[in-house]
Amino acid sequence: AQSVSQHNHHVILSEAASLELGCNYSYGGTVNLFWYVQYPGQHLQLLLKYFSGDPLVKGIKGFEAEFIKSKFSFNLRKPSVQWSDTAEYFCAVKGNTDKLIFGTGTRLQVFP
Amino acid sequence: EAGVVQSPRYKIIEKKQPVAFWCNPISGHNTLYWYRQNLGQGPELLIRYENEEAVDDSQLPKDRFSAERLKGVDSTLKIQPAELGDSAVYLCASSREGESSPLHFGNGTRLTVT
Repeated sequence: AQSVSQHNHHVILSEAASLELGCNYSYGGTVNLFWYVQYPGQHLQLLLKYFSGDPLVKGIKGFEAEFIKSKFSFNLRKPSVQWSDTAEYFCAVKGNTDKLIFGTGTRLQVFP
Repeated sequence: EAGVVQSPRYKIIEKKQPVAFWCNPISGHNTLYWYRQNLGQGPELLIRYENEEAVDDSQLPKDRFSAERLKGVDSTLKIQPAELGDSAVYLCASSREGESSPLHFGNGTRLTVT
């Protein structure tokens, strides 16, 4: 069965610090990978996605993620975070069942 | 485009009472999803519709949960009777056809069962 692990449950950073959120999945076949973000009081929205091609994917607001197939990972990165990046971040995987499986989420707090 | 609309935003009920949630997807989106998100967890799929057909309801607790999507547009999710463990946020999402189409989520309904 597909599953997604997000190891960082709560991350606290100062503005301008670099960010990397871990995401690992378990599924041996072809996968589609996503990062969603939920800002305080708002709905979940897509940050970026990977389907095929270049394993380094760039999303909105300066975020990027790298698909490393050998490590079953899809970590999210941002070189310099801002206070407005405070949110909850969810990694999600879709395999051949067409079902989108979410991780448990990582709460990011950025202090000015 | 207008987003996915859900109502109500909040609902507090006593256990054993019925409750219903409503969702209006983005116009033109054929696929509609209901997810449940427990505190500290990611969303978990309850049911997925392609137009008016439920194509995946394997995670829906059918003894107390039911859903419908008449005419392939808006949808209702019902719980009867509610239990304490049903307290969660119920999310509706929609997408266009095709595996590359992202899900668009509504704001959710936060249900508290006392």
